[in-house]
Amino acid sequence: DTAVSQTPKYLVTQMGNDKSIKCEQNLGHDTMYWYKQDSKKFLKIMFSYNNKELIINETVPNRFSPKSPDKAHLNLHINSLELGDSAVYFCASSQERKLFFGSGTQLSVL
Amino acid sequence: DQQVKQNSPSLSVQEGRISILNCDYTNSMFDYFLWYKKYPAEGPTFLISISSIKDKNEDGRFTVFLNKSAKHLSLHIVPSQPGDSAVYFCAASYRNTDKLIFGTGTRLQVFP
Repeated sequence: DTAVSQTPKYLVTQMGNDKSIKCEQNLGHDTMYWYKQDSKKFLKIMFSYNNKELIINETVPNRFSPKSPDKAHLNLHINSLELGDSAVYFCASSQERKLFFGSGTQLSVL
Repeated sequence: DQQVKQNSPSLSVQEGRISILNCDYTNSMFDYFLWYKKYPAEGPTFLISISSIKDKNEDGRFTVFLNKSAKHLSLHIVPSQPGDSAVYFCAASYRNTDKLIFGTGTRLQVFP
């Protein structure tokens, strides 16, 4: 059983489009995250939600909107995609200060 | 301003020998440190952690050492195995937060 699963694994789209990435965790954790790994391999936090409430927003453009319908799900919606949004996006959940990551979504904006 | 630094982008070690991966940090407010391992096309997986009240933590072949005065930690893998070949990320967090600050990773290659 996959603990943190995100879909799709690959996403190729044109500039200006709107896309969503879904994430689900079956670990029973209260806190979930979105991280972004850019072309230089920096892995940086974007958002953190605790029990459906936004906790951390790391000055991400408001084209990025996370949505948490329940504590097991944290989806990421991106409006008006730009070339610079191309990256790998990782969903994660945490327990006792350890993060558990999904396998990533590689987003390519053409 | 990178608060967690891994200055060696890559490391190559022979199977059976010790692998030592290094990490430096700048913020003295960090109180918890972790190492993650990442294979291609997969997410990072938790390997081992250490609290700032300790200077060593061991789990099987993996040992993490923390030198607070030098703001330095290291991961020792002994003996190294080909399956250990991956990218290793160092991470740190502040008290009362789950937010992790990651280093840029070190690619370890273990050859036969």
